[in-house]
Amino acid sequence: DVKVTQSSRYLVKRTGEKVFLECVQDMDHENMFWYRQDPGLGLRLIYFSYDVKMKEKGDIPEGYSVSREKKERFSLILESASTNQTSMYLCASSPRWGEENTIYFGEGSWLTVV
Amino acid sequence: GQSLEQPSEVTAVEGAIVQINCTYQTSGFYGLSWYQQHDGGAPTFLSYNALDGLEETGRFSSFLSRSDSYGYLLLQELQMKDSASYFCAVRDRTAGNKLTFGGGTRVLVKP
Repeated sequence: DVKVTQSSRYLVKRTGEKVFLECVQDMDHENMFWYRQDPGLGLRLIYFSYDVKMKEKGDIPEGYSVSREKKERFSLILESASTNQTSMYLCASSPRWGEENTIYFGEGSWLTVV
Repeated sequence: GQSLEQPSEVTAVEGAIVQINCTYQTSGFYGLSWYQQHDGGAPTFLSYNALDGLEETGRFSSFLSRSDSYGYLLLQELQMKDSASYFCAVRDRTAGNKLTFGGGTRVLVKP
């Protein structure tokens, strides 16, 4: 089974702190994604990566950055956390498009910024 | 960009049939997917349609009409465990390797 592991399930951070959310997948997938999920808004794409050291902006990249130094790891960085970044963050991975049309999600990281 | 519309909530009783509609706007449509998410859990893949027609997987079926930019997920013989949120998502060949999700439909199954 594909496993996408997010390092922290629940975090509480202070406004202005730098926050790292880590994600690791164990299936050698090319594509990795970070979404945030808010009630009524569904899943909104923050950033995605289709290869090591490659990154593409999603629909809501402002206030976030990402890092993909190794194929299996995709990190989401909040340079200076703000209260409007309180949300659930989902990491996902998928094989190269064309081989499969599904993505696999981690269990999510609940971030509260106070 | 892309946009997807789906109802926010549906309530039904055990054994009933529920249809969740999804309309989308996208410039380079490639396929429509459906995901299920239980409270506190991760979204999991249910089905995918790239061509017009009905795809059946057990009690769940998914339909696509590309000409109408419309699809639906059909849940039959509803069970209590089907209470969850259901998301439609589109792949767009003009938007790189990403999926765009709808806002989700919360399905509540009552005894």
